[in-house]
Amino acid sequence: DAGVTQSPTHLIKTRGQHVTLRCSPISGHKSVSWYQQVLGQGPQFIFQYYEKEERGRGNFPDRFSARQFPNYSSELNVNALLLGDSALYLCASSLVPGSGNTIYFGEGSWLTVV
Amino acid sequence: GENVEQHPSTLSVQEGDSAVIKCTYSDSASNYFPWYKQELGKRPQLIIDIRSNVGEKKDQRIAVTLNKTAKHFSLHITETQPEDSAVYFCAAPSSGSARQLTFGSGTQLTVLP
Repeated sequence: DAGVTQSPTHLIKTRGQHVTLRCSPISGHKSVSWYQQVLGQGPQFIFQYYEKEERGRGNFPDRFSARQFPNYSSELNVNALLLGDSALYLCASSLVPGSGNTIYFGEGSWLTVV
Repeated sequence: GENVEQHPSTLSVQEGDSAVIKCTYSDSASNYFPWYKQELGKRPQLIIDIRSNVGEKKDQRIAVTLNKTAKHFSLHITETQPEDSAVYFCAAPSSGSARQLTFGSGTQLTVLP
């Protein structure tokens, strides 16, 4: 069985540009979450989606947006990129959202903003 | 929201010794506590988790203990091996509607041969 898949794996963008990151959850999982992991820190929650609805949002600016599609895959969009957006972006899936439900991370998308 | 504190930030042990990493959390309603291992350049991988209805859980050389009264939980690794070297993160659910995980700041474990 395939795990959580993310694309692209690595990308370099210039300040002010826009980026779209993609995620496909584990088959049968309906909830997708996005996390940002800056070097040397733990993952920080950005968004959670379930059944195409946003269920939660972390403390990130409006430049960050996301959506979930009918097949439960998801996109994370970041506009007007800043140097500080350089990080590993992790997608995680779970059967359903909520406390106690194990989340599994994809390999991540390494974003470098120059 | 949930506040998770993790100690120590770095830990070096001799191969074969035990390692213990501790985390405290703030939300008394939290009921699920996973531990993730992250090797350099890779994703965090779940290694063990515990739910609040038990006080301890073991899986071979790894164990997690939970003290709900004191709001802390710990990861115990026995008979450490060089391949245990990695960054370890604890996590606990936040109080928001999404109950997303809040992660600790991580512990860099180095097992010396």
